[in-house]
Amino acid sequence: GAGVSQSPRYKVAKRGQDVALRCDPISGHVSLFWYQQALGQGPEFLTYFQNEAQLDKSGLPSDRFFAERPEGSVSTLKIQRTQQEDSAVYLCASSLGGGSPYEQYFGPGTRLTVT
Amino acid sequence: QQQVKQSPQSLIVQKGGIPIINCAYENTAFDYFPWYQQFPGKGPALLIAIRPDVSEKKEGRFTISFNKSAKQFSLHIMDSQPGDSATYFCAAVPYNTDKLIFGTGTRLQVFP
Repeated sequence: GAGVSQSPRYKVAKRGQDVALRCDPISGHVSLFWYQQALGQGPEFLTYFQNEAQLDKSGLPSDRFFAERPEGSVSTLKIQRTQQEDSAVYLCASSLGGGSPYEQYFGPGTRLTVT
Repeated sequence: QQQVKQSPQSLIVQKGGIPIINCAYENTAFDYFPWYQQFPGKGPALLIAIRPDVSEKKEGRFTISFNKSAKQFSLHIMDSQPGDSATYFCAAVPYNTDKLIFGTGTRLQVFP
């Protein structure tokens, strides 16, 4: 079956522009996660949804970052007034939820470059 | 801040060798320890996971060893193959959350 898809795969933004990154999770997956992966580093947690409810946004680095999942399926990560330090790969993951929270299925990521 | 430390940063082995990747954590508030494999241009994919009440778990050529008292765990890859060349991340799941806390990664290269 289809895995997690993300779009766009690559995004170049000028400093100060707003960007929106989309994630289509695996159908039926209750939980959805966003991670940020800097070059040569491990992914870092940003935020987590269970259905449409955002249960944890403790990893969002500033109030310029906003995520939503209005119908409990597709999610969008928005970054306002992008800065150079926002350059990274943004990974989306989904899971069934329940007893195995570590079984997260990742998309290929969106590589954001801020110039 | 909860952290997971991973070493080595990179590892080179010959085909058939047994690379070992080590991780350590700094508090006891974790209840799952998964390992993920990532190929260039792809997202991480789950390999194997262990709970802290188990000392060893094996799935195919991949084995996790867990030392609760030392707060350390490691991944062993038996009979490594060139196709195992990838970046490996250990991770931990804090109690009462579903988020993953990742290590910094180990880039493994297996030469024929």
